[in-house]
Amino acid sequence: AQSVTQPDIHITVSEGASLELRCNYSYGATPYLFWYVQSPGQGLQLLLKYFSGDTLVQGIKGFEAEFKRSQSSFNLRKPSVHWSDAAEYFCAVEGQGNLIFGKGTKLSVKP
Amino acid sequence: SAVISQKPSRDICQRGTSLTIQCQVDSQVTMMFWYRQQPGQSLTLIATANQGSEATYESGFVIDKFPISRPNLTFSTLTVSNMSPEDSSIYLCSFTRGAATDTQYFGPGTRLTVL
Repeated sequence: AQSVTQPDIHITVSEGASLELRCNYSYGATPYLFWYVQSPGQGLQLLLKYFSGDTLVQGIKGFEAEFKRSQSSFNLRKPSVHWSDAAEYFCAVEGQGNLIFGKGTKLSVKP
Repeated sequence: SAVISQKPSRDICQRGTSLTIQCQVDSQVTMMFWYRQQPGQSLTLIATANQGSEATYESGFVIDKFPISRPNLTFSTLTVSNMSPEDSSIYLCSFTRGAATDTQYFGPGTRLTVL
């Protein structure tokens, strides 16, 4: 069965520092992979997605993610974090027509 | 891109009552879905809302508890029936423009608290 693991429940970084949020998936075929962000009291906003092709995907708000098939990973990165990036981040894999979400990583940003 | 809205944005309800949540998209979409996000948890798919026919429910969710309607290509409702405190969650609707495998766009969610 498909599954998504986000190993880090909570991460705190300083403003201006780089960020990497980890995501590992389990899926038999080539996956469709997504990162969503949920700000407090808000719905989910799509940051980026990977369907095929170039394994480095650019998203909105300066985020990027790299698909690594050998590691079954789709980690999210940002070179310089802004205070407004504080939110919860969800990785998801499309499996059999459904989106399967990880448990999320909460990002806190220190001034 | 389409705008998706939900009503109400939040509610506090008494045990044993029912609440209907509305989801409206400002243009026709192919697929609509309903998710539950329990406190501190990730999102779990409740069902796919099918236009003109019964919704397709995921394991662990039943129509009697979560009746869903989708009368047209822009609107859907989810009812949480006979509520208990365990139903306290955020309920989100989403849509795709094509197949279920296409990108899903989410509404702002409805935060439900059951006392």
